[in-house]
Amino acid sequence: EAGVTQFPSHSVIEKGQTVTLRCDPISGHDNLYWYRRVMGKEIKFLLHFVKESKQDESGMPNNRFLAERTGGTYSTLKVQPAELEDSGVYFCASSRAGTKNTEAFFGQGTRLTVV
Amino acid sequence: AQSVTQLGSHVSVSEGALVLLRCNYSSSVPPYLFWYVQYPNQGLQLLLKYTSAATLVKGINGFEAEFKKSETSFHLTKPSAHMSDAAEYFCAVMNQAGTALIFGKGTTLSVSS
Repeated sequence: EAGVTQFPSHSVIEKGQTVTLRCDPISGHDNLYWYRRVMGKEIKFLLHFVKESKQDESGMPNNRFLAERTGGTYSTLKVQPAELEDSGVYFCASSRAGTKNTEAFFGQGTRLTVV
Repeated sequence: AQSVTQLGSHVSVSEGALVLLRCNYSSSVPPYLFWYVQYPNQGLQLLLKYTSAATLVKGINGFEAEFKKSETSFHLTKPSAHMSDAAEYFCAVMNQAGTALIFGKGTTLSVSS
């Protein structure tokens, strides 16, 4: 079974540009999560999809961030326009439908550097 | 609100020595607690989880953690460190809604020969 896959693994962009991160969850996983780790800080929750619906987007920093999950399969996270403080590692995770203790499987992350 | 504090951003041990990584939590409801590990250039991997069953939880690679409600702790231990245990370890608690994990800042474990 393939794991959670994230593209690209690294991205370096200039301030003001747009970047789109992609996450392919494990097949059959209804839940999809985005997290972010800014350097030196803890990993923080951004949002949660159940299939194609946003269940919780309380962690999204501001309206420069837009997440979508077309057809309930892969998800994209777009940052437009990117700012310096957006630099960090963006993790995607997925889990089966279920209770709170359902294991979430994480991807390798996308390291975003805004210069 | 739930929160997690990991004591010590870096821990160094010798190969064969006891590994102890500390995690304290704060939760207004019975917590669901997790330890994840991130090896270099890999994603986070679940080591073990506590979900209100046995207080001593055994995980993969010889790790275990004990839930102590009186101390609000969920420390991770391993009797004998291996070089391959060198990684970053994250303690996490499930938020009250059950929709997200709240992570600590992580502890980097170094193992020397």
